[in-house]
Amino acid sequence: EVQLVESGGGLVQPGGSLRLSCAASGFTFSSYEMNWVRQAPGKGLEWVSYISSSGSTIYYADSVKGRFTISRDNAKNSLYLQMNSLRAEDTAVYYCARGVPNLSWGQGTLVTVSS
Amino acid sequence: EIVLTQSPGTLSLSPGERATLSCRASQSVSSSYLAWYQQKPGQAPRLLIYGASSRATGIPDRFSGSGSGTDFTLTISRLEPEDFAVYYCQQYGSSSFTFGPGTKVDIK
Repeated sequence: EVQLVESGGGLVQPGGSLRLSCAASGFTFSSYEMNWVRQAPGKGLEWVSYISSSGSTIYYADSVKGRFTISRDNAKNSLYLQMNSLRAEDTAVYYCARGVPNLSWGQGTLVTVSS
Repeated sequence: EIVLTQSPGTLSLSPGERATLSCRASQSVSSSYLAWYQQKPGQAPRLLIYGASSRATGIPDRFSGSGSGTDFTLTISRLEPEDFAVYYCQQYGSSSFTFGPGTKVDIK
């Protein structure tokens, strides 16, 4: 069974940093592209970032470019999102999602940016 | 960046009725790289349709997708009680995988 489990969310002050992790199991992680998608409270879905299976190709939404960094460790079956210079508008549930399009999703981790 | 617009914002229908949801792109979506997702409250989204018209694994055949270029449609032939949810389209034909704002299908 495919499982994606996000962790690392929490409360952080504006300007702060947070690192999200996504632990993958039940499939060959190194064969799949991965994404981060977020959803602000009561709002729609927003794609955040993409990384190819090898990590050689990376894309970001304009709203996070220069502040967020996506990475992966295929040996550890893990996906990461380093988030710096956080703003109130980054408050959201962050999902990791397998594949393009997004075949499988985790349950998400909540990031709250507030003073 | 390709901007997706979904209409209507809310669709109020009864079980058994047909639902037709629209997704329009600001420019042509490459190779019909257009997907549809369903999301219920408190749950992660679920992939329904990819490549504009291919059903994902396990998706009932009452869900169908059509369209190309800039105009796409998700049709639910006969609404079941479990189909009342929010539906999002997403394009993945460029280097920015944008979502539409969603259409909520609620019970009339």
